Amino acid sequence: EVQLVESGGGLVQPGRSLKLSCAASGFTFSNYYMAWVRQAPTKGLEWVASITNSGGSTYYRDSVKGRFTISRDNAKSTLYLQMDSLRSEDTATYYCTRVTTVAYYFDYWGQGVMVTVSS
Amino acid sequence: DIQMTQSPPSLSASLGDKVTITCQASQNINKYIAWYQQKPGKAPRLLIRYTSTLESGTPSRFSGSGSGRDYSFSISNVESEDIASYYCLQYVNLPYTFGAGTKLELK
Repeated sequence: EVQLVESGGGLVQPGRSLKLSCAASGFTFSNYYMAWVRQAPTKGLEWVASITNSGGSTYYRDSVKGRFTISRDNAKSTLYLQMDSLRSEDTATYYCTRVTTVAYYFDYWGQGVMVTVSS
Repeated sequence: DIQMTQSPPSLSASLGDKVTITCQASQNINKYIAWYQQKPGKAPRLLIRYTSTLESGTPSRFSGSGSGRDYSFSISNVESEDIASYYCLQYVNLPYTFGAGTKLELK
């Protein structure tokens, strides 16, 4: 059974940093692209960043480029999101998602982790 | 960026009704659209990929269709367990973009 379990969320002041982790199990992690998708409170879904299966290429939405870094450790089957220079508009539930091998939609999602940016 | 215009924002239905949600892309997305269901406090669940292909475990009362810029998602014979929000996703180009969502409620 595919499982994605996020951790590392919490309350952080504007301008500070936070690092999210996502522990994957139930599939061969190194074979799949992975991504982060977020959802602000009572709002819709927003793709944040993606990473190839090797970690060799990464992609970001414009609003987080230069502030967020997606990475992975295939030996640990773990995905990360380093979030720097956080802003209030980054407040959201962050979902770790698996990207299918045949196309680029998200087939499995973690339960989500809440990040609140506030002073 | 490709904009996904989803409508309606909310929908009220009785059990057994058929409901339809639409998503219009700002450009041709070549059928690269998926549909997700999200219940309160839960992660989204993938229902349909590539316009009309049902994921394993998706009940047959769910369906999708469309081409070019215009797509639709339907639930025939709405059941109580279908009460949720629904989102479309285009995955033809980065940045992948979602529709704003449709909240399905019971009448």
